[in-house]
Parts: sequence; structure tokens; C-alpha cells
Amino acid sequence: GENVEQHPSTLSVQEGDSAVIKCTYSDSASNYFPWYKQELGKGPQLIIDIRSNVGEKKDQRIAVTLNKTAKHFSLHITETQPEDSAVYFCAASMNSGYSTLTFGKGTMLLVSP
Amino acid sequence: KAGVTQTPRYLIKTRGQQVTLSCSPISGHRSVSWYQQTPGQGLQFLFEYFSETQRNKGNFPGRFSGRQFSNSRSEMNVSTLELGDSALYLCASSWGGSTSDEQYFGPGTRLTVT
Repeated sequence: GENVEQHPSTLSVQEGDSAVIKCTYSDSASNYFPWYKQELGKGPQLIIDIRSNVGEKKDQRIAVTLNKTAKHFSLHITETQPEDSAVYFCAASMNSGYSTLTFGKGTMLLVSP
Repeated sequence: KAGVTQTPRYLIKTRGQQVTLSCSPISGHRSVSWYQQTPGQGLQFLFEYFSETQRNKGNFPGRFSGRQFSNSRSEMNVSTLELGDSALYLCASSWGGSTSDEQYFGPGTRLTVT
């Protein structure tokens, strides 16, 4: 089955710095790669996603890149703010069927003022 | 547009009991997926329902089951609860028509088994 590895597990940055989280996946048939932000006591919130026919996607301070050959994708957050502090998860679609995702273990991002 | 809702938000059960959790998807969405989140294993896929049929199932024992109703609302049931079943149970809804549909999560049900 699909396996997704995510690094780093913890990331501390100063406000205004950039943050990068990286993920690799194993199933070359995966075609959808979403990123979720989870705050304490809440469910994961979809913040950006990318499909396999696109190499890069940007939404304001957030961008995602995908390298299908190397089977890795990354989340880039620029000009970080304290409210960006949360746990971020990457995921990849499972080739076994619709609406099924395999998740990375998560990255706790801490943004200090 | 209302988001995904889950009830109850918190549950405390005793080993050996059974529990039923409920999920109401975003209006118009026909697919509901269930995930278990624990500190050790992270987010793991349980099963997915589309148009009242289970389309996919993860690697969980048969004590975990689910169903979906004609209005797309879904329930999951865990029988003979074990201490290790303590977790945050999340459901996510999507249109369900492709492998690249966006999935939106509810707030989860926190289950504690004592």
C-alpha cells in the first residue's frame, strides 16, 4: 500500500521567516496530494492541494511543489505568523480507491513572535 | 454552507461496551470517509462509504463497522471496545466522484475507553 513519510516532525521559526515541510510517497499511481492544518481540539483543515498534472501551486503565503519523478512534494509557508502555529499533515491519494488518503505523521510548526 | 458535523464530540466508555458515532457530510457530498487519529499511529483510514455502499476498507478488525444512509449521513460502530480504541475519530466528506476529490474533515469525536 501507499506509504507517506514527512519531515521534520517539529519545526521552530521566528515570525516572518519561511517554513518548508517535505513529504515523500511510495505509490507512483497516487495523483492527489493535499495538505492539512490541525489546531488543538479541531479537525484537520484543508489548506492547499496539488494534483499530479501540476508541478506547483500557490495561494497567498502558501505554496506546494510536486516532483513526480522523485515522488516528493513540499509545503512552503512564507512570512510566517504566530497563527500559523499548528500541526501540518501531508497526504497522498491511495490507488486502492476513491476518497481514501494516506497521511504523513505530521509536523508541529511553532512560530515565535 | 454548513461544514461536516460529528456527534457526539466526546465519549467515555468502558472496555467491552460498544459505541456508535455519527457524521453528517457537507450538503451535496455523497462520500464519507472515516479515520482514526492516535498519537502513536497518526491518521489511519478506516473505511469509506458512497451512495450507501462501502467502497473501501482499511486494515482494522471487524469490530469496526459502518453504514451510510440515503441522505449520506454515516455512522460508525465499534463493538467490544478495547483500551487501544481510545482515539479521535474523524470523518471527512467529499463529492466522491474521483480519486482527487477534496476531502473536508469534521471536528472529530474524542473516544476514551476506560
